[in-house]
Formats: sequence, structure tokens, C-alpha cells
Amino acid sequence: EVQLAESGGGLVQPGGSLRLSCVASGFTFSDSWMHWVRQGPGKGLVWVSQINTDGTTTTYADSVKGRFTISRDNAKNTLYLQMNSLRAEDTAVYFCVRLLSDWGQGTLLTVSS
Amino acid sequence: QAVVTQEPSLTVSPGGTVTLTCGSSTGAVTSGHHPYWFQQKPGQAPRTLIYDTINRHSWTRARFSGSLLGGKAALTLSGAQPEDEADYYCLLVYSGIWVFGGGTKLTVL
Repeated sequence: EVQLAESGGGLVQPGGSLRLSCVASGFTFSDSWMHWVRQGPGKGLVWVSQINTDGTTTTYADSVKGRFTISRDNAKNTLYLQMNSLRAEDTAVYFCVRLLSDWGQGTLLTVSS
Repeated sequence: QAVVTQEPSLTVSPGGTVTLTCGSSTGAVTSGHHPYWFQQKPGQAPRTLIYDTINRHSWTRARFSGSLLGGKAALTLSGAQPEDEADYYCLLVYSGIWVFGGGTKLTVL
């Protein structure tokens, strides 16, 4: 059974940084493209970023480009999202998604002073 | 960045058929946009229903089908059930950048 467990969310001040993690199990992590998707409170889904199997290819939504960095450690079956220069509009539940098919339960990031 | 458009809300009667659509600000939606469809119920993570335009996952009920229709991606629900009441999102790709539609709130009433 595919399992994706996000962690690392919390309360951060505007301009701050945070790193989200997603530990994967139940499948061959190193064979799967991975994504981060977010959802603001009461809002729709927003695609954030994707990474290929070996971490050499990454793409980002315009809204986070230059501030967020996606990465992975295939030895640890873990996906990361490093978030810098955080803004109030980054407040959301962040989901880790395998192949746009299997979803984690999400971790909540709140950016507020 | 492209804008993906969906109907904000639709209503279907139990047992009825409804089609949700997904359009693109750049022109016609094609198979090259690799349309996905997701269902999300309140308080839950999204669930992927359709990938690459027409393909169902093993967990997707047969009453859901995907297609291209009139220059848009489409999700058709045939024989709606009360448990199908949810938000539905489409997703398209543009040269490696994925963009969600704003979502359709489907009411079964």
C-alpha cells in the first residue's frame, strides 16, 4: 500500500523559512516522479512543484519560483520542499503526491506574524 | 502562466448524468495536456479519478469517464450517486508546468 507522510508544517513569520518532508513507503520511491500541491484555507488546489526520479529535473509554479526548492533523497525515501521568503499567501495545506495519483494527507503551513 | 477554467458549480439529480469541462486559456485542450481529474470531499485529501484524458485508476468507479469534448477536457458522471457530491478539479500540463482549474462544486440533489 502506497503511503505518503508529510511533516514539517507549522507557524512561520513572513520572510521566514521552513522545510517540509514527505516520507514514502509501499512503492519504489526512486522510480516515481513526485509533486507538491497546496491548498489554501477554503480555496482550490494549486500545483507547486515536481521532481524527476533522480532529482536532476525540477519545475515550479510561477508563484513559488525562486523561493521554493524541491529535492529528494532516494536512499531515505524522502521528498523535501525548502521554502524561503515565505508570504501570507503561502499559507496552505501542502500535499505530497506520487505520479499525480497517490496523495498524502498533507501538512499545514501558516505564515503569520 | 495559463489559466484553466471549470464550471464553478453544477447540480445533478440522483441517477442522472452530468459533464464537467476543463478549458484552457491557450486554446483547445488536447491529449498533449495530459488531463487529470480529481475528486475532493470535505476534510479529505484529493483522490485521482482520471489520468491522461481517459484512463481510470483501479479505484475509480466505472460511472466516471474522461474525454475530450469541443476543445475541452471533460469528466462525465453517468448515474450519479449521493456520495459523488464533492469538489472536482482538472489539471493540465504546459511544457512541464502543471496548472489546476478552479474546481467544480458538484451537488447531487
